[in-house]
Amino acid sequence: DAGVIQSPRHEVTEMGQEVTLRCKPISGHNSLFWYRQTMMRGLELLIYFNNNVPIDDSGMPEDRFSAKMPNASFSTLKIQPSEPRDSAVYFCASSLWETEAFFGQGTRLTVV
Amino acid sequence: GENVEQHPSTLSVQEGDSAVIKCTYSDSASNYFPWYKQELGKGPQLIIDIRSNVGEKKDQRIAVTLNKTAKHFSLHITETQPEDSAVYFCAASKGDNFNKFYFGSGTKLNVKP
Repeated sequence: DAGVIQSPRHEVTEMGQEVTLRCKPISGHNSLFWYRQTMMRGLELLIYFNNNVPIDDSGMPEDRFSAKMPNASFSTLKIQPSEPRDSAVYFCASSLWETEAFFGQGTRLTVV
Repeated sequence: GENVEQHPSTLSVQEGDSAVIKCTYSDSASNYFPWYKQELGKGPQLIIDIRSNVGEKKDQRIAVTLNKTAKHFSLHITETQPEDSAVYFCAASKGDNFNKFYFGSGTKLNVKP
């Protein structure tokens, strides 16, 4: 397996634009997590899914953020409208229940 | 919620020396404590983990200890090598999902050749 695949690797967008980050989890995994990494706040969980169902979205910063998992092999994190303070590295991770969580390489988002 | 504190924020050691990174957690219900290594431009990668029913776990040059009473756990790396240079994160989780982590702030380890 190629591991968790995220796209794009880098995204630069203007303030106010919509941004969509994508994640393909490892085949067979049933839990998917979106984390955000910044210098100020470190690594923080935004939302996670079990069997494609959102379980806990308490980490989503505000209504501008939304995440979906339409099937077991794909998830998106959308920011609309984007703001400069959303600039961060966004990681997707997947696991099979209570086994090791594997992280993708991340998407570096810059909002100017 | 859970609060995980990690120290030191940076650590510089000579190749061959040992390195120790310490973390404390606040929620006594936390029961899983992984350590992740993050290299530049990459995602975190699990290097070792420990569950609350054991006090110590070792894997070659890496060991983790857990003191549930004091709510702290530590990562020990012996015989450090330049390739150990990276940022290390501790984390804690509990209950509803094993991999719903609360991360420490990270330790940047530099191993000087």
